[in-house]
Amino acid sequence: DAGITQSPRHKVTETGTPVTLRCHQTENHRYMYWYRQDPGHGLRLIHYSYGVKDTDKGEVSDGYSVSRSKTEDFLLTLESATSSQTSVYFCATLGASGSGGEQYFGPGTRLTVT
Amino acid sequence: DAKTTQPNSMESNEEEPVHLPCNHSTISGTDYIHWYRQLPSQGPEYVIHGLTSNVNNRMASLAIAEDRKSSTLILHRATLRDAAVYYCILESSGDKLTFGTGTRLAVRP
Repeated sequence: DAGITQSPRHKVTETGTPVTLRCHQTENHRYMYWYRQDPGHGLRLIHYSYGVKDTDKGEVSDGYSVSRSKTEDFLLTLESATSSQTSVYFCATLGASGSGGEQYFGPGTRLTVT
Repeated sequence: DAKTTQPNSMESNEEEPVHLPCNHSTISGTDYIHWYRQLPSQGPEYVIHGLTSNVNNRMASLAIAEDRKSSTLILHRATLRDAAVYYCILESSGDKLTFGTGTRLAVRP
């Protein structure tokens, strides 16, 4: 257990509203990731961070932004939520730099956009 | 990124070994092979990873073919708690994982 919490765990919101999901870690891990998981798909990478204020886009970044002002927190924002963003969102961290490291995943946030 | 191919589903009996196959014919020399699993309603959890040699840990063993074009995750004695989706992943772009749809393992009591 890498001490990763996600909040909220469940959220229902309306189309067009902004939504922010929070990932908090207590392990001082440098790397952090946001994924989404939809039925019939594996996890898909949205954005990731290599450190404070150092973020980059993943394969499904459209409609999402992220911020990392502190090592322990990685925020994912849906600027204007759409029904296609209904999904389960997972945060992950990676402690060791370089290839071959183990990612630790949070419990997930189930987001429903109506 | 290099792709992996896994069976959609497999079944096993409790307390018997399970061999979960993965094909990755386009693997490059520097790609790590990772296995993660996802229990129902949970985030994925790391199982094992390797580069060229076979690997063992407390959860499982990873057998990597000599040409590295395939690998097998071995659970030595399946339990009901091992029922999950198992993902075989190639890490080819430094610190990022690309998940496929995995193999859903059912364990019969």
